[in-house]
Amino acid sequence: EAGVAQSPRYKIIEKRQSVAFWCNPISGHATLYWYQQILGQGPKLLIQFQNNGVVDDSQLPKDRFSAERLKGVDSTLKIQPAKLEDSAVYLCASSLDRSPLHFGNGTRLTVT
Amino acid sequence: AQKITQTQPGMFVQEKEAVTLDCTYDTSDPSYGLFWYKQPSSGEMIFLIYQGSYDQQNATEGRYSLNFQKARKSANLVISASQLGDSAMYFCAMSPYSSASKIIFGSGTRLSIRP
Repeated sequence: EAGVAQSPRYKIIEKRQSVAFWCNPISGHATLYWYQQILGQGPKLLIQFQNNGVVDDSQLPKDRFSAERLKGVDSTLKIQPAKLEDSAVYLCASSLDRSPLHFGNGTRLTVT
Repeated sequence: AQKITQTQPGMFVQEKEAVTLDCTYDTSDPSYGLFWYKQPSSGEMIFLIYQGSYDQQNATEGRYSLNFQKARKSANLVISASQLGDSAMYFCAMSPYSSASKIIFGSGTRLSIRP
């Protein structure tokens, strides 16, 4: 089966610019997650979708971050405007109910 | 509140030796799942092993086994006969079943295998 697809692989932007990341989960996986992984730390959940509904976005900085999952398949995570502390790897994952997460390769964001 | 603690920031092990990576957790949920992931320097997160809180036996997957001690709230990963390719970051994670499968991660342990 095809894995979780993410793009772009790398992105460099200046602070106050905007950026968007795209994720296509494994076919049939209803649950989709976006995690932020700062260098040297474990992944931190930003938002979790069940189909096209938000299950948990308690740690999403909503003043600058937004995410959507139209039609319950692909998802986009946007940052506007970006700050230096947003430099991290953004991981997308998908799963069936209560099954292990399958991760994409991530997008490495550098904000200068 | 749920919490995962990995107290070993880094470990060095000789090739072919066994290694234990520690993980303790805290949750008030009676049902939960415990996971271990490997993250090589390339960055991808690779699922290794899963243990359910009501599973009677410790999980095993090839050279990986999970030493689950429910009363102590620990879920240590044991890697037998370590290989150079095992050098990576290892993350322990937990999913309380009451939280719609929300999965939280520990801070990780960097394992380095010496030839």
